[in-house]
Amino acid sequence: EAGVTQSPTHLIKTRGQQVTLRCSPISGHTSVYWYQQALGLGLQFLLWYDEGEERNRGNFPPRFSGRQFPNYSSELNVNALELEDSALYLCASRNPGILTGELFFGEGSRLTVL
Amino acid sequence: AQSVSQHNHHVILSEAASLELGCNYSYGGTVNLFWYVQYPGQHLQLLLKYFSGDPLVKGIKGFEAEFIKSKFSFNLRKPSVQWSDTAEYFCAAPREDTGRRALTFGSGTRLQVQP
Repeated sequence: EAGVTQSPTHLIKTRGQQVTLRCSPISGHTSVYWYQQALGLGLQFLLWYDEGEERNRGNFPPRFSGRQFPNYSSELNVNALELEDSALYLCASRNPGILTGELFFGEGSRLTVL
Repeated sequence: AQSVSQHNHHVILSEAASLELGCNYSYGGTVNLFWYVQYPGQHLQLLLKYFSGDPLVKGIKGFEAEFIKSKFSFNLRKPSVQWSDTAEYFCAAPREDTGRRALTFGSGTRLQVQP
């Protein structure tokens, strides 16, 4: 069974640009979560999508946005990039039948903003 | 909302040494706790989880954790570490503001095991 897949794995952008990151959850998982892992800050919760709807977001500005498609894959968009957006962006999915169950993570997209 | 904190940011051990990584949680009703590990260049994966019952939880690769309610702690232990245990370790708990469907993570502990 394929795990959570993310693309691209690495990318470099400059300040002010926009970026789109992609995530495909494990087959059968309808919930997708996005986390930001910046150096020394652990994992910060960004967004949660379930059944195509944004269910909750963390303490991030509106320039962080996303969507979930009918096949449950998801995109994370970051507009007007700032230097501090440099981080590893992790996507996770969860089996909807298990409340508070395990999150399964992808390997992440490493974004560098110059 | 439930939160977790990890006080050991960087731990260096020699092979065969015993390991204990600290995790403290804030009170938030029903307590569910997780430990995840991130090996270099790999995805985050679950080591173990506590939901209820026996407070001593055994996970993969010889790791275990003990839930101590009176101390609000869920420390991760391993009797004898190996070089391959070099990784970053995260404690986590469900976020109340997501109906406990998303997790909040501690800041992580980087473990370096020297051969």
